[in-house]
Amino acid sequence: GENVEQHPSTLSVQEGDSAVIKCTYSDSASNYFPWYKQELGKRPQLIIDIRSNVGEKKDQRIAVTLNKTAKHFSLHITETQPEDSAVYFCAASKGGGSTLGRLYFGRGTQLTVWP
Amino acid sequence: DAGVTQSPTHLIKTRGQQVTLRCSPKSGHDTVSWYQQALGQGPQFIFQYYEEEERQRGNFPDRFSGHQFPNYSSELNVNALLLGDSALYLCASRPGLAGVTGELFFGEGSRLTVL
Repeated sequence: GENVEQHPSTLSVQEGDSAVIKCTYSDSASNYFPWYKQELGKRPQLIIDIRSNVGEKKDQRIAVTLNKTAKHFSLHITETQPEDSAVYFCAASKGGGSTLGRLYFGRGTQLTVWP
Repeated sequence: DAGVTQSPTHLIKTRGQQVTLRCSPKSGHDTVSWYQQALGQGPQFIFQYYEEEERQRGNFPDRFSGHQFPNYSSELNVNALLLGDSALYLCASRPGLAGVTGELFFGEGSRLTVL
């Protein structure tokens, strides 16, 4: 099955700096890569996703890049704010159709943004 | 829109007991998945239901079983509880449209503690 590796496990940055989280996947058939943010005691919430036919996607301060050849994708957060502090999970899926693919999650990155 | 709702939010059981967790999907969604999230880990896929049938299953023993009802709500049952079953159990829903590898909406989860 798919194996998703995520690094680093913890990341501390100063407010206003950028943060980068990296993930690799093993199954070249994976075609959908979402990122979830989970605040303490809360549900995971999708913050951005990318499909395999796109190399980069941006949404305000958040961007995701995908390198299909190397089988890795990254989350970039610019101008970090204290409210960005949370655990971030990457995931991969090879879904499609009515029986949609399961998500394989990384182990998570605890991001702390210091004021 | 109430989103994905789960019950109970917290529960404590002893080894060998059985537990039933419940989930109501987001309005308009007909596909329900269950994930187990151990402390400090990413969510692990248990199984997925669509049209009242189990469509995919992760690497979990037969002690884990589920059901989906005609109104798309779902139950997760775990028999013969082990200490290692202690975790946050997340329900997630999505619309089961053909060709969509879209967003999973998660509930707040049911925190199970096995003593």
